[in-house]
Amino acid sequence: GEDVEQSLFLSVREGDSSVINCTYTDSSSTYLYWYKQEPGAGLQLLTYIFSNMDMKQDQRLTVLLNKKDKHLSLRIADTQTGDSAIYFCAESNRGSNTGKLIFGQGTTLQVKP
Amino acid sequence: DAGVTQSPTHLIKTRGQHVTLRCSPISGHKSVSWYQQVLGQGPQFIFQYYEKEERGRGNFPDRFSARQFPNYSSELNVNALLLGDSALYLCASSGGTSSGNTIYFGEGSWLTVV
Repeated sequence: GEDVEQSLFLSVREGDSSVINCTYTDSSSTYLYWYKQEPGAGLQLLTYIFSNMDMKQDQRLTVLLNKKDKHLSLRIADTQTGDSAIYFCAESNRGSNTGKLIFGQGTTLQVKP
Repeated sequence: DAGVTQSPTHLIKTRGQHVTLRCSPISGHKSVSWYQQVLGQGPQFIFQYYEKEERGRGNFPDRFSARQFPNYSSELNVNALLLGDSALYLCASSGGTSSGNTIYFGEGSWLTVV
């Protein structure tokens, strides 16, 4: 079946790097996404990676994909207090044409000044 | 360009009542999906519509229904509301010619059932 797992909580100091990890089970996943959710708000798309890529970098964000181990990570460089939020990993199998995203339960990132 | 817009932002309903939630996708996007996010959990897929046709349905009871209009906006309807339907309902937009595989979400509609 389809399942996405994330650790629930991460605490870092301002200026440090944060690494949020995610594992998924669907070997036919084609796209993997990272979303940020601030309190009381919707989901903000941060980045996504196609399954034939190993890495994608976008400013302070670096996504690493290990397709063999079905492991995805999001690294945030120079973490700021404004990065405090819940981060969701999601996978989709575009081949199914349903546009369905399977989400993890979210990782709460706490950034201490 | 406006992002994904949803209405209403907050509403309170009584058990047994009916609710209609609305979503307007990003201009040029033809696909709308609906998700339910219960407090403390990740969003759960309810429906996807593309070009006014249902393309996918999640594991939700028949009390949940949706439709997409010619202008690609969408409505989510929930009948016979239960306390457990209290959640944030999120609409996602995708499928524009220049959007690639990006899927954008609106700010959601907070539904409280009392």
